[in-house]
Amino acid sequence: LAKTTQPISMDSYEGQEVNITCSHNNIATNDYITWYQQFPSQGPRFIIQGYKTKVTNEVASLFIPADRKSSTLSLPRVSLSDTAVYYCLVIGDNQGGKLIFGQGTELSVKP
Amino acid sequence: DAGVIQSPRHEVTEMGQEVTLRCKPISGHNSLFWYRQTMMRGLELLIYFNNNVPIDDSGMPEDRFSAKMPNASFSTLKIQPSEPRDSAVYFCASSHSLYSGSGDEQFFGPGTRLTVL
Repeated sequence: LAKTTQPISMDSYEGQEVNITCSHNNIATNDYITWYQQFPSQGPRFIIQGYKTKVTNEVASLFIPADRKSSTLSLPRVSLSDTAVYYCLVIGDNQGGKLIFGQGTELSVKP
Repeated sequence: DAGVIQSPRHEVTEMGQEVTLRCKPISGHNSLFWYRQTMMRGLELLIYFNNNVPIDDSGMPEDRFSAKMPNASFSTLKIQPSEPRDSAVYFCASSHSLYSGSGDEQFFGPGTRLTVL
């Protein structure tokens, strides 16, 4: 199974762009990279998913280099409400549809 | 759509008692997942079902835990007997299918906070 490594915590200020990098050195050819967000006292929520290059939606952007051994979640102009834990996951054949959550990155946005 | 519904939202019980957690997945979703979250162990997958059939229960901690999905709209997670170390937030999630190549988005319920005294 592809193991992911990401920073335990990050601090930011309102209005800044936040980039959270995740490493997944043993990602398999058919694996996808998925990010979930979890607010306190709530279940995780899907943010974005990608296979290679760049993916953008209304919430975030996901940058994946050619070797796919890492990925970066980019949150533009964060606000206090973006304070949450962000999980990077790899999903594919080896996981059989399962989501294996790591420790995640606890993002704290300050005024 | 109401999303994934879990009940109860909070449960406080005494050691040795039976606890039953309930989940109603999103209508039309074929896969259902039970997770447990604690500060020490993070978010752990306990068991998951596809088309009401248990696929993988390797995450179930021990025989005191059991899960059923009698139909497409209802699942239960039972702990009997409960112990203080079972105290955690239990999440239920559902998705359209178990695996569609890229992996289907999972929709999580609000969770049940269980406290075993």
